[in-house]
Amino acid sequence: NAGVTQTPKFRILKIGQSMTLQCTQDMNHNYMYWYRQDPGMGLKLIYYSVGAGITDKGEVPNGYNVSRSTTEDFPLRLELAAPSQTSVYFCASSSAGGSGANVLTFGAGSRLTVL
Amino acid sequence: QKEVEQDPGPLSVPEGAIVSLNCTYSNSAFQYFMWYRQYSRKGPELLMYTYSSGNKEDGRFTAQVDKSSKYISLFIRDSQPSDSATYLCAMSALMDSSYKLIFGSGTRLLVRP
Repeated sequence: NAGVTQTPKFRILKIGQSMTLQCTQDMNHNYMYWYRQDPGMGLKLIYYSVGAGITDKGEVPNGYNVSRSTTEDFPLRLELAAPSQTSVYFCASSSAGGSGANVLTFGAGSRLTVL
Repeated sequence: QKEVEQDPGPLSVPEGAIVSLNCTYSNSAFQYFMWYRQYSRKGPELLMYTYSSGNKEDGRFTAQVDKSSKYISLFIRDSQPSDSATYLCAMSALMDSSYKLIFGSGTRLLVRP
């Protein structure tokens, strides 16, 4: 049982380049999330999805885009990469996103550096 | 003021010590409280989850919620080197017709052999 799988694990981008972080889950969870984690800043929500075809902005969506064509996949697109997007990105999923008891299953993270 | 405050540490303790990790929060609407453990270069994983006030115990771990003081704690008894990790508190509340989940910034714990 793989859970939440993210690729790539590491990537170095030049300023202005674009890339897509891939995320897939095999738990049939409806809710999926993208977070970024900066040192000392905790996890910040970028985008989330409550099901295939439905996405919404989180706390820090600028510079990112997402799509959700299937239940399993939730890719995060970075357009025109900037140094401020250097961070560790985590994809997560849950079956209870619409309730207070929202327990997330996280992927291992994608470490992105923009130079 | 951050909605959830957590001391970043690092907190260094000898093996076998009792560890106390804490978070304070400002929004009295928070009702669900969680602790996640994150090992280095890994994603967070759920450790414990509680609803409203009170204590919850799971093996060497005890989660405590004091809603009157807006304060939550995680106690680790007989700490082991394998407990060395960053511990993130998280809490959720119903806001604007949907549940909002907020994470603390994490406390790094080092248990020395």
